[in-house]
Amino acid sequence: ETGVTQTPRHLVMGMTNKKSLKCEQHLGHNAMYWYKQSAKKPLELMFVYSLEERVENNSVPSRFSPECPNSSHLFLHLHTLQPEDSALYLCASSQGVGGQYNSPLHFGNGTRLTVT
Amino acid sequence: KQEVTQIPAALSVPEGENLVLNCSFTDSAIYNLQWFRQDPGKGLTSLLLIQSSQREQTSGRLNASLDKSSGRSTLYIAASQPGDSATYLCAAGGNTGKLIFGQGTTLQVKP
Repeated sequence: ETGVTQTPRHLVMGMTNKKSLKCEQHLGHNAMYWYKQSAKKPLELMFVYSLEERVENNSVPSRFSPECPNSSHLFLHLHTLQPEDSALYLCASSQGVGGQYNSPLHFGNGTRLTVT
Repeated sequence: KQEVTQIPAALSVPEGENLVLNCSFTDSAIYNLQWFRQDPGKGLTSLLLIQSSQREQTSGRLNASLDKSSGRSTLYIAASQPGDSATYLCAAGGNTGKLIFGQGTTLQVKP
């Protein structure tokens, strides 16, 4: 399998649930990202990991908790979400270390999250 | 704070037409400018990346230009085809990997 794979594709959860989104990249990249895409808003960067270290946390509420156990896997743990958190969550990867972010991002197809 | 704007928000053209999509950014201190394509229900596909020291990049029927001084980038699509129908997004890249996206231009190419 190639590229960036995200699971699940769709997720419906209540506000009291705990769930996790999973992302796996098979491109040998060393940087991974979580983006949020809401209706009628630009994509918003949530987190950036470079060599498994978090290098960017874009003022994301603590109910979103990322985890990067190795350079191929990225998780987004969700708990006590709000209905306004319903969105498409996109994972991406690139070859970018030490400020050398001049390689294009490769995106997965996203997880469509609905919070009820 | 970097802001990226794309005009128009939507565009409909007949097949075969050449077209230009516009992207503007407020902070010229960018690391790169990237163009992506997004099909409905899918993730983004990278089309072109222009480094801050470059003026343009070409891939097949696509040509992207960058003018940092004026804060503008354009994506030129030659001889448009129905398969080009999608949402096109531009993003201004910083040196920490952070991309600031525009809201996109939704293109429909009619057969």
